[in-house]
Amino acid sequence: DTAVSQTPKYLVTQMGNDKSIKCEQNLGHDTMYWYKQDSKKFLKIMFSYNNKELIINETVPNRFSPKSPDKAHLNLHINSLELGDSAVYFCASSQGLQDYEQYFGPGTRLTVT
Amino acid sequence: AQSVTQPDIHITVSEGASLELRCNYSYGATPYLFWYVQSPGQGLQLLLKYFSGDTLVQGIKGFEAEFKRSQSSFNLRKPSVHWSDAAEYFCAVGEGAAGNKLTFGGGTRVLVKP
Repeated sequence: DTAVSQTPKYLVTQMGNDKSIKCEQNLGHDTMYWYKQDSKKFLKIMFSYNNKELIINETVPNRFSPKSPDKAHLNLHINSLELGDSAVYFCASSQGLQDYEQYFGPGTRLTVT
Repeated sequence: AQSVTQPDIHITVSEGASLELRCNYSYGATPYLFWYVQSPGQGLQLLLKYFSGDTLVQGIKGFEAEFKRSQSSFNLRKPSVHWSDAAEYFCAVGEGAAGNKLTFGGGTRVLVKP
């Protein structure tokens, strides 16, 4: 019974394609996040949602669009993929906006060729 | 804006030896501080956190960390490492104004020699 799950685990695609990564948490948390980890292991927040409402948008290109159909899911859709989008994308969740303890999913390794 | 620095990119330690990972932060207010561990191919797992109170905090897997305000540091320690401690370790600081945003350091890779 995985707390934060992501699909797919690996994603290989060509430049210009559109792809989505799905995230689900079964912890009953209100807040969810997307992080990007680059090839140097640098981890940076992209978005956070609280109860389906966008809270943080860290100047991510418009090609990235998060969608939260309900508070247990936060999906990441990426349009017109570029080589620089290759990274590991982590989803995380926390109980609420006042809770810093974040639980991370296993990551999705995206490779753009 | 806050920042987190982990000065050591790689550390190699012998099994059974002690380990200390350095973390320095820059943040105007009282920080919320965290250490996460990332095993190869895995997500991040929270080792420990500091919000307030006792400056020496205990975490899982035998780790502890000490908050030193005067040095803006939050170093992670373990008295005796096990081969399974080989992983990437990330220090992070939480910022409340932006809705519990975490800013991570660049990570320290720990290699354990038999």
